[in-house]
Amino acid sequence: DTGVSQNPRHKITKRGQNVTFRCDPISEHNRLYWYRQTLGQGPEFLTYFQNEAQLEKSRLLSDRFSAERPKGSFSTLEIQRTEQGDSAMYLCASSQTRQGRTEAFFGQGTRLTVV
Amino acid sequence: DQQVKQNSPSLSVQEGRISILNCDYTNSMFDYFLWYKKYPAEGPTFLISISSIKDKNEDGRFTVFLNKSAKHLSLHIVPSQPGDSAVYFCAASALGNQFYFGTGTSLTVIP
Repeated sequence: DTGVSQNPRHKITKRGQNVTFRCDPISEHNRLYWYRQTLGQGPEFLTYFQNEAQLEKSRLLSDRFSAERPKGSFSTLEIQRTEQGDSAMYLCASSQTRQGRTEAFFGQGTRLTVV
Repeated sequence: DQQVKQNSPSLSVQEGRISILNCDYTNSMFDYFLWYKKYPAEGPTFLISISSIKDKNEDGRFTVFLNKSAKHLSLHIVPSQPGDSAVYFCAASALGNQFYFGTGTSLTVIP
């Protein structure tokens, strides 16, 4: 396993269109996180899953955003009716707690541009 | 509500010298702290971490120090190398739940 994989790497879409991103975590990791990052900011938490259960959602995650993790494996993040303010890097990370250590490993991200 | 803060947006250091990056946090429930390195257009890369039960963790040229009473942690890189030039983020979590990130410090190591 080579790490967290995200697809696509880049997405350009017109305002109002729907987009879906995919994340494949490290296979033995039970937690999966979605973050969003804009220029000059650190990653901002959107949501996370433990196995297939979505345990927490940020206030940043409006009703246009939905995330799923069927069967506790890969995850998808969908944005409906995209707006220009949705333009950002969307990051996925996965983690597994071992011996008191919980390090999240990130994918390369999906760069979304809404025009 | 910024629970993790990096107050220095940028830092320049001569090659071979020590780089010290600082981070402050406000939530006393945080029990695990991490540093990530990020290049443009890539995801953050995990660098080093420390549990709240320790005050120091070392990995090669990288050492993280934790001062719980001051709610402060720092990353020391020695000796600094040009390849260390990147943006460094500190992050904190409680019980492995969501990770809170600072806004980053851009490190430039001058050859």
